Amino acid sequence: SYELTQSPSVSVSPGQTARITCSGDALPMQYAYWYQQKAGQAPVLVIYKDNQRPSEIPERFSGSRSGTTVTLTISGVLAEDEADYHCQSADSSGNPGFGGGTKLTVL
Amino acid sequence: QVQLQESGPGLVKPSQTLSLSCTVSGASISSGDFYWSWIRQPPGKGLEWIGYLYYSEDTDYNPSLKRRAIISVDTSKNQFSLKLNSVTAADTALYYCARGGIGNPPGFDYWGQGALVTVSS
Repeated sequence: SYELTQSPSVSVSPGQTARITCSGDALPMQYAYWYQQKAGQAPVLVIYKDNQRPSEIPERFSGSRSGTTVTLTISGVLAEDEADYHCQSADSSGNPGFGGGTKLTVL
Repeated sequence: QVQLQESGPGLVKPSQTLSLSCTVSGASISSGDFYWSWIRQPPGKGLEWIGYLYYSEDTDYNPSLKRRAIISVDTSKNQFSLKLNSVTAADTALYYCARGGIGNPPGFDYWGQGALVTVSS
């Protein structure tokens, strides 16, 4: 199955910038998406098509890519941003695949 | 406002078939504009795409499920369903239905709340 690699955890203090990365060989050819999942809740789309933000998502969330890595950046982290973050893209056949998730801890 | 709601048994015996339905409101499955999807999450683990229905009748599945999954649609109820046969304990998970938008690949913009299915005798 297609593999997208994420670091298991990231920790930041409130007000700092959190960067969560996702790597995969097919990423240069496919869009990437990011989801926020708070404890006991369904995932919420926070970034689509690499760097587009749904209207209801705060501006502090942004997405970028470089080569085989995509990055979710959360600027001025708030306590409410503590959650698991999942990247999603597709393999060379177009089958969707997810990373293993990164737990963001706000210290 | 698009809403999705999963329903189905929470307990399935090993080797039997898991069956779930997803009722959609606020959008029409038969419009052919979206990818109506099943995604699962084993306890404490990441998300896994199971498959989706698109253009009202076409389907694609995760190859890792080795053809155990079948997704079908009931347009009269605006509902789509998942059957997963020959289940084992490894199929214990929170099962989500979700809507995938048009894109390559599609991203999932609306999700149900999830249905926990436990495989156990």
